[in-house]
Amino acid sequence: QVQLVESGGDMVQPGRSLRLSCAASAFTFSSYVMHWVRQAPGKGLEWVTVISHDGDDKYYADSVKGRFTISRDNSKNTLYLQMNSLRVEDTAVYYCAKVPYSGNYFAAFDIWGQGTMVTVSS
Amino acid sequence: QTVVTQEPSFSVSPGGTVTLTCGLSSGSVSTSYHPSWYQQTPGQPPRTLFYNTNIRSSGVPPRFSGSILGNKAALTITGAQADDESDYYCMLYMGGGISVFGGGTKLTVL
Repeated sequence: QVQLVESGGDMVQPGRSLRLSCAASAFTFSSYVMHWVRQAPGKGLEWVTVISHDGDDKYYADSVKGRFTISRDNSKNTLYLQMNSLRVEDTAVYYCAKVPYSGNYFAAFDIWGQGTMVTVSS
Repeated sequence: QTVVTQEPSFSVSPGGTVTLTCGLSSGSVSTSYHPSWYQQTPGQPPRTLFYNTNIRSSGVPPRFSGSILGNKAALTITGAQADDESDYYCMLYMGGGISVFGGGTKLTVL
């Protein structure tokens, strides 16, 4: 069945960088917009960023703009999140999520990964 | 800055009906915002319930329904069950690629 598996979470010091990956399977990855969503410990969900199916269009929450970069490799069915200049407040579980319709549909998710934990601490 | 509003908590009796809402700090929610709803239990990833206001995601039981009620999006549970006790999040699409979650509603079934 459709599956998303995140990896790359770790504990890092403030100011450092980290790259998350999301491996997709059982669907035509290159046809779907993909998102990253995060959840700080004990807090609610926060939308982070989205990328169009072809990688041409990318949008970010103000809280990560200029520090995080979303990308994808459709030949490898993999989504990425490059996180630079990490802050303590970036500590969260990071989920990748797929949209329910192919093409340039940005508005919701149908499938979520299990998440990967990022801890930013000195 | 636009804030998406949800009730922080709600309580429902087993077998009862509850409606959770999703509003805007300024303005009305319409189908143009493509409201979506997600359910999350502790330690688990979110599960999609509805997108595009009322499109039920795969496997979601019919006791759940999504709609627009007045100036808000709404999630109604008819005949609540114990395992419906969860956190519920709505999300609105603001356009230009940007989505915003509400703060979530903690639903207690007792």
